Amino acid sequence: AQTVTQSQPEMSVQEAETVTLSCTYDTSESNYYLFWYKQPPSRQMILVIRQEAYKQQNATENRFSVNFQKAAKSFSLKISDSQLGDTAMYFCAFRRGSQGNLIFGKGTKLSVKP
Amino acid sequence: EAGVVQSPRYKIIEKKQPVAFWCNPISGHNTLYWYLQNLGQGPELLIRYENEEAVDDSQLPKDRFSAERLKGVDSTLKIQPAELGDSAVYLCASSLDTSSYNEQFFGPGTRLTVL
Repeated sequence: AQTVTQSQPEMSVQEAETVTLSCTYDTSESNYYLFWYKQPPSRQMILVIRQEAYKQQNATENRFSVNFQKAAKSFSLKISDSQLGDTAMYFCAFRRGSQGNLIFGKGTKLSVKP
Repeated sequence: EAGVVQSPRYKIIEKKQPVAFWCNPISGHNTLYWYLQNLGQGPELLIRYENEEAVDDSQLPKDRFSAERLKGVDSTLKIQPAELGDSAVYLCASSLDTSSYNEQFFGPGTRLTVL
């Protein structure tokens, strides 16, 4: 069975600074996808960034980038130039390559302070 | 493009009462998911539909929970009777199909409080 672990329940960062959220996972699959989702206080979950396991290049989306270490089963999210609107719960999620459901971690609550 | 719509947004009921949640997925999305999100936790899948067929309901507590997706569009999740431990947020999501590449789009959820 796949598991996703987020070891940081809460984090805070000053506006305009950089923060990294950690995620590790456990799987025996070779083909899979990893995701970071953002859930603001309004509760609507939004996809932030996606990584295909077969791709060595780390995914980037504007201020968001990942550090994907397949051998270590690590998938961290880096947020650069943090903005007040980045304040939210962030969930790391895993999905098998063929098809399957998202398996989420417990989340990290990020607070961006002015 | 309209997103995933859920109603109601909030529901308060007494234990042993029935309750139902409704979800309207994004137009054209064949796959629909219901997730349960307990306080301080990540969502966990309850049931997944491909069109009108429930293809994964292994995590659905079938003694009290039921779901349907008539005509492969809207879906309803029902709890009867509700228990105190059912207090949580119920999220609906949809995607074009079950391909792992396709993004799942989430609705705002229904927050259920059972007294």
